[in-house]
Amino acid sequence: DTEVTQTPKHLVMGMTNKKSLKCEQHMGHRAMYWYKQKAKKPPELMFVYSYEKLSINESVPSRFSPECPNSSLLNLHLHALQPEDSALYLCASSQGGANEKLFFGSGTQLSVL
Amino acid sequence: SQQGEEDPQALSIQEGENATMNCSYKTSINNLQWYRQNSGRGLVHLILIRSNEREKHSGRLRVTLDTSKKSSSLLITASRAADTASYFCAADNQGGKLIFGQGTELSVKP
Repeated sequence: DTEVTQTPKHLVMGMTNKKSLKCEQHMGHRAMYWYKQKAKKPPELMFVYSYEKLSINESVPSRFSPECPNSSLLNLHLHALQPEDSALYLCASSQGGANEKLFFGSGTQLSVL
Repeated sequence: SQQGEEDPQALSIQEGENATMNCSYKTSINNLQWYRQNSGRGLVHLILIRSNEREKHSGRLRVTLDTSKKSSSLLITASRAADTASYFCAADNQGGKLIFGQGTELSVKP
């Protein structure tokens, strides 16, 4: 299994909602990532988990809260988002703790109304 | 911005032609990678070149790296319509982050 699975594929939420994005991989990878991507722009790093510990937080607003319950799962909890947070949210994983050959999920297309 | 630059931003070629994309980055790196993204989808890893390597091949892909100029290029030979996608370079900087360039949108016309 060489897949990273993200759910849901699409999400529409209001600014007062609380929702979660989920990401799962069964490749035994020990590093997992959240990236945010606006249309026609490159992915921007948000968070990195290495061996289930948060190792990088790119000064992301607290309305985004990551969680790594175990080595296969990564969540992104969303609360009180703004319309400008609408974007494609991509999860990725890689073997070990190094930035080598990231495997990406298909992403969650998020719209904040 | 930590992100590198890519050029061209957009490239349109005919099937069978070669496509060359360039990438520049700003900091010392451990490796440089190239990814491909079809519209609205996740990214797919294409090739990785380490900082002590100068050239690497994989099928129809050829990547070069010039660390003195902090630049890399991706050559796709004998392009196909299915190669139509956005291509991103990504630099593994020595701060533990993989930083993506602005991307090149490649269109291959049948």
